[in-house]
Amino acid sequence: NAGVMQNPRHLVRRRGQEARLRCSPVKGHSHVYWYRQLPEEGLKFMVYLQKENIIDESGMPKERFSAEFPKEGPSILRIQQVVRGDSAAYFCASLRGGDTQYFGPGTRLTVL
Amino acid sequence: EDQVTQSPEALRLQEGESSSLNCSYTVSGLRGLFWYRQDPGKGPEFLFTLYSAGEEKEKERLKATLTKKESFLHITAPKPEDSATYLCAVQAVSGGAQKLVFGQGTRLTINP
Repeated sequence: NAGVMQNPRHLVRRRGQEARLRCSPVKGHSHVYWYRQLPEEGLKFMVYLQKENIIDESGMPKERFSAEFPKEGPSILRIQQVVRGDSAAYFCASLRGGDTQYFGPGTRLTVL
Repeated sequence: EDQVTQSPEALRLQEGESSSLNCSYTVSGLRGLFWYRQDPGKGPEFLFTLYSAGEEKEKERLKATLTKKESFLHITAPKPEDSATYLCAVQAVSGGAQKLVFGQGTRLTINP
């Protein structure tokens, strides 16, 4: 997975709590993508960020979800007031230039 | 809307039995077609990128080919360690986000 790191690997939250998912891209990569994989479904694009900028958030639900990629530190995907339907695997991918996205190991979110 | 359909959904082969996985796509303008491998509980692992019809790429027992409407992933004399879900994704020319649109995947099992 070319060095993309995600944490935590597993996250359990109760309905109504907040979930924070972190992604550290490959060193030197300044583009980050977030994808969601619901059970028995394919990977779906959520958001694309460059350092300090959201470039495309067309795949992200309008409410409760937000993402950031600060100048320093990892990219964060934040889900407020989680519901059972948010249970999924969330993957981060990074690239520096060119076309190939390298994926992290994912965070498996379970909402009780 | 860009769309990717993979077939079959699942495929069981005996060790050494060659076969092909199919990826059909519709996209406004193809920037690139990507193949990834995903093992259970892990993130997608990059295999190939194809850019134009007629292009072929090989890696060990895998060969990917591309036409204007579909791509094939040929697996020759597979081994049990080739068991995984194989994902196909397209990237459209339009827009700057370079987001990937994934198919549902083909779950490949190689029996010893």
